[in-house]
Amino acid sequence: QVQLQESGPGLVKPSQTLSLTCTVSGGSISSESYYWSWIRQPAGKGLEWIGRIYHSGNTKYNPSLKSRVTISIDTSKNQISLKLSSVTAADTAVYHCARVLAGWEAFDIWGQGTMVTVSS
Amino acid sequence: QSALTQPASVSGSPGQSITFSCTGTSSDVGDNDDVSWYRHHPGKAPKLMIYAVSNRPSGVSNRFSGSKSGNTASLTISGLQAEDEADYYCSSYTSSNTWVFGGGTKLTVL
Repeated sequence: QVQLQESGPGLVKPSQTLSLTCTVSGGSISSESYYWSWIRQPAGKGLEWIGRIYHSGNTKYNPSLKSRVTISIDTSKNQISLKLSSVTAADTAVYHCARVLAGWEAFDIWGQGTMVTVSS
Repeated sequence: QSALTQPASVSGSPGQSITFSCTGTSSDVGDNDDVSWYRHHPGKAPKLMIYAVSNRPSGVSNRFSGSKSGNTASLTISGLQAEDEADYYCSSYTSSNTWVFGGGTKLTVL
């Protein structure tokens, strides 16, 4: 079955860029039935949608993060990437990637998430 | 975009039915039928329980049901079981083609 696995540094310094990768296994990232999202959860808080990307590379971002976020897709590696620039302690969170059911706009498969701490 | 409003906590006894609420606005919950619900055990991947207001993915128990009225969506769990204890989040697609989540409800099975 399809599985998603996030990876990347667990510690990022303030003002630097957070970079994460989501590797999709068991299915093609190029399917038109799905697209892909990043979602995060700060400790003790709720989920926050970060952005989504189609296999074509078309993106849409959360307006509150738009100026700092870049999501990209590498169909040859079956991977999605997240870059978040100028990070602060407020960006400390568990970051999940998720598959989106096209047309139903629901996140049907999630990665377990990776914890990223912003600290000097 | 503001987060959807969910009660912080709900509790129930095994066998009971409980209902979670999720209140948004005319720009999200009230705008379309793309409301979904997720169960999250901390440290694990969230699981989709309901999509498109009331549809269950394959493999999800029919004890879970969803509905919507106006700007408020609801998730009902019938025949509460100990394994249902978790955090539950609602999500809605918005008129701006983005997504918004609720703050989550912690379910305690007494």
